[in-house]
Amino acid sequence: GQNIDQPTEMTATEGAIVQINCTYQTSGFNGLFWYQQHAGEAPTFLSYNVLDGLEEKGRFSSFLSRSKGYSYLLLKELQMKDSASYLCAVRELYRGSTLGRLYFGRGTQLTVWP
Amino acid sequence: DADVTQTPRNRITKTGKRIMLECSQTKGHDRMYWYRQDPGLGLQLIYYSFDVKDINKGEISDGYSVSRQAQAKFSLSLESAIPNQTALYFCATSDSRTGSTDTQYFGPGTRLTVL
Repeated sequence: GQNIDQPTEMTATEGAIVQINCTYQTSGFNGLFWYQQHAGEAPTFLSYNVLDGLEEKGRFSSFLSRSKGYSYLLLKELQMKDSASYLCAVRELYRGSTLGRLYFGRGTQLTVWP
Repeated sequence: DADVTQTPRNRITKTGKRIMLECSQTKGHDRMYWYRQDPGLGLQLIYYSFDVKDINKGEISDGYSVSRQAQAKFSLSLESAIPNQTALYFCATSDSRTGSTDTQYFGPGTRLTVL
């Protein structure tokens, strides 16, 4: 199974750095995704980690520790447009299969203040 | 043009009515998914299809059915809508040829209200 936990809400100020944590419990782990979702809009892909370590992509970075069941999304130089919900999603493989499916956390609503 | 489109974008209907939500994609992806999103609950998988002949139930398939008419089209039906099916519905696609990444890309969503 899977239990994906992330904070419900976070706030930060423009120009600051914020770290959004995600913990999970799963068998058959096969990757962790972060998505951004503005209110009423579609989730958009931000990052993917399958091996331990940090993946950097512009202002956004994502970290994974498989042994700890832990990931974080780091947002630097925050802008007002970064106010959104950030979804952590874990892919779990079906037993004995190369096929898998995503399980989503409930999302972290980030508000960026001027 | 959008790669993943959903129709309608908004729908208000009454209890007991049959509703079909449609999803089309021009990404050439073989895998397609239907999710619903309720406030505070995150995205829940309704059905998924890894190719035209392969359709599987997700965690909340009761009350829903699907049809994969072609690789590019995946429809979701509510045979007899009920108020607790009021939600935001998303279609997503992914490409098995990307191997382990298999990132899912979402359509714009359909907001369904059942009165």
